[in-house]
Amino acid sequence: GDSVTQMEGPVTLSEEAFLTINCTYTATGYPSLFWYVQYPGEGLQLLLKATKADDKGSNKGFEATYRKETTSFHLEKGSVQVSDSAVYFCALTLNTGNQFYFGTGTSLTVIP
Amino acid sequence: DAGITQSPRHKVTETGTPVTLRCHQTENHRYMYWYRQDPGHGLRLIHYSYGVKDTDKGEVSDGYSVSRSKTEDFLLTLESATSSQTSVYFCAISERWEEGYTFGSGTRLTVV
Repeated sequence: GDSVTQMEGPVTLSEEAFLTINCTYTATGYPSLFWYVQYPGEGLQLLLKATKADDKGSNKGFEATYRKETTSFHLEKGSVQVSDSAVYFCALTLNTGNQFYFGTGTSLTVIP
Repeated sequence: DAGITQSPRHKVTETGTPVTLRCHQTENHRYMYWYRQDPGHGLRLIHYSYGVKDTDKGEVSDGYSVSRSKTEDFLLTLESATSSQTSVYFCAISERWEEGYTFGSGTRLTVV
């Protein structure tokens, strides 16, 4: 079935370190891919998206490239800040609008 | 914020009692969703709606029912609460799937 697999957390980084959170997917068709972020006590917020192969989504210094050949959508940021501490979710939809499939989330803590 | 409100924010209830959670939107979005969030599972779809009185089941719909009598309100009912339904419940809305979801702040439900 359709699914998303994220790297296990938690991840702890020092401020200004480079971040990579891995995400791979399995899909029967041609999905659109998303990253969401959840801050403590809040709902998920859309961080970035890519709707077709080779697209790069970017927002707030975060980037992810839709790689069809490796079925991946890894999240990267060149220099993390304490304010980036949150849980990050990778997700896909098969362009029907009926359902998004979410990964299990990766918790990130950035220490000063 | 996109104008989505969940109520209550927290609830403790006893096993066997019915519980209704409310999601209210002011965006006039067509699609509304109920998810539950549990450690190790990410977010799982319970039910969704694609219009007034039009609803369908998600992957974990057993023990839950929904109703949507107005565009702005989507109710989730636990017909007879069980301890396995202790979770954080999120409502989400969308008008076009390409834009992703907007999430509410969640309802933390504890069944004792």
